[in-house]
Amino acid sequence: GAVVSQHPSRVICKSGTSVKIECRSLDFQATTMFWYRQFPKQSLMLMATSNEGSKATYEQGVEKDKFLINHASLTLSTLTVTSAHPEDSSFYICSASGEGKTQYFGPGTRLLVL
Amino acid sequence: GQQLNQSPQSMFIQEGEDVSMNCTSSSIFNTWLWYKQDPGEGPVLLIALYKAGELTSNGRLTAQFGITRKDSFLNISASIPSDVGIYFCAGFLYQAGTALIFGKGTTLSVSS
Repeated sequence: GAVVSQHPSRVICKSGTSVKIECRSLDFQATTMFWYRQFPKQSLMLMATSNEGSKATYEQGVEKDKFLINHASLTLSTLTVTSAHPEDSSFYICSASGEGKTQYFGPGTRLLVL
Repeated sequence: GQQLNQSPQSMFIQEGEDVSMNCTSSSIFNTWLWYKQDPGEGPVLLIALYKAGELTSNGRLTAQFGITRKDSFLNISASIPSDVGIYFCAGFLYQAGTALIFGKGTTLSVSS
């Protein structure tokens, strides 16, 4: 149980384009979903927290207009990186939690912006 | 922001050896979680601890929630090559929200 999927697993895009990443909880209802960013050899950095049907709460320093988060259902959240630039290249990981606080992570999405 | 102090930062061991890593904080946590991350993958939950003093095993892994609620350790017995990866401790601060606080990770290398 507690499986979280992400799509796509890898994406390469040109600078200036927008990229959407999907996060799905496959076997449980995720009341809260989280989006993290991870740089090589570093720990996970929380970007934002989203609850189903409400606006996401962004961490300090994370631009909400740059990283659009939608949590339209209890099983799906999307992260859109708008007008991506090379410095946005990173490993993006989502996680989801249900009734408890324990977070279950997706497999991650590797974004490369050329 | 609030940080967990995780140590050691990295370990190089021989197959078959036992491994121990720990996390400490100056603040009280009400939940401790241990995750393992393989290269290019998301973290996978290994063990979740919810009560002070709790000792939980998952196969060759054993983790404990410290009595003071400010620390936790993870032991791996009889390590094997597939134990290689980065191990993260994480926790929820007492009376805080849903945001997980992460340690910086312990990178484990196992030579056969």
